[in-house]
Amino acid sequence: DVKVTQSSRYLVKRTGEKVFLECVQDMDHENMFWYRQDPGLGLRLIYFSYDVKMKEKGDIPEGYSVSREKKERFSLILESASTNQTSMYLCASRLLAGDNSYEQYFGPGTRLTVT
Amino acid sequence: SQELEQSPQSLIVQEGKNLTINCTSSKTLYGLYWYKQKYGEGLIFLMMLQKGGEEKSHEKITAKLDEKKQQSSLHITASQPSHAGIYLCGAPTRSSYGKLTFGQGTILTVHP
Repeated sequence: DVKVTQSSRYLVKRTGEKVFLECVQDMDHENMFWYRQDPGLGLRLIYFSYDVKMKEKGDIPEGYSVSREKKERFSLILESASTNQTSMYLCASRLLAGDNSYEQYFGPGTRLTVT
Repeated sequence: SQELEQSPQSLIVQEGKNLTINCTSSKTLYGLYWYKQKYGEGLIFLMMLQKGGEEKSHEKITAKLDEKKQQSSLHITASQPSHAGIYLCGAPTRSSYGKLTFGQGTILTVHP
């Protein structure tokens, strides 16, 4: 089974802090994604990575950056956390090579509260 | 850009009742993915539909994609408390890299 893990289930940070959210997948997937989920808005794509060191902005990249130095790990960085970044953050991965499916495998999520 | 609208936004049913959740796209769908999420957790893949008119079932859940490929429905027969959660539909964009656009989700509550 594909396993996607996220470093924390719950996180509380102060405004202005630098925050790192880590995501690791164990199935050699090329594509990885970071979403945030807010009530009534569904999942919104923040950034995605199609390969190591490759990244592209999603729909709401402002206030975030990402890093993918190794294939299995995709990090989301909040350079200076703000209260409007309080949300549920979900990481996902997808196998690209030889696979016509868009199925994404999700981690358990990190609920971040910025005070 | 493609938008997915789910209806209803929330649903409360008595155990044993049937229910339907709809997902409507602003553009032709090139596939439709249904996920379930228990509160505070990640998403679990349910089913994928790709062809117009396609229908798939798993246990008591049936998903359909209409012939015109702009709407999908998820039907639960004889609902149980274990069906409670948030149901989300997702659709691939025409661009590569496997991006999915998601609907806003439908919150299902099943009362025993």
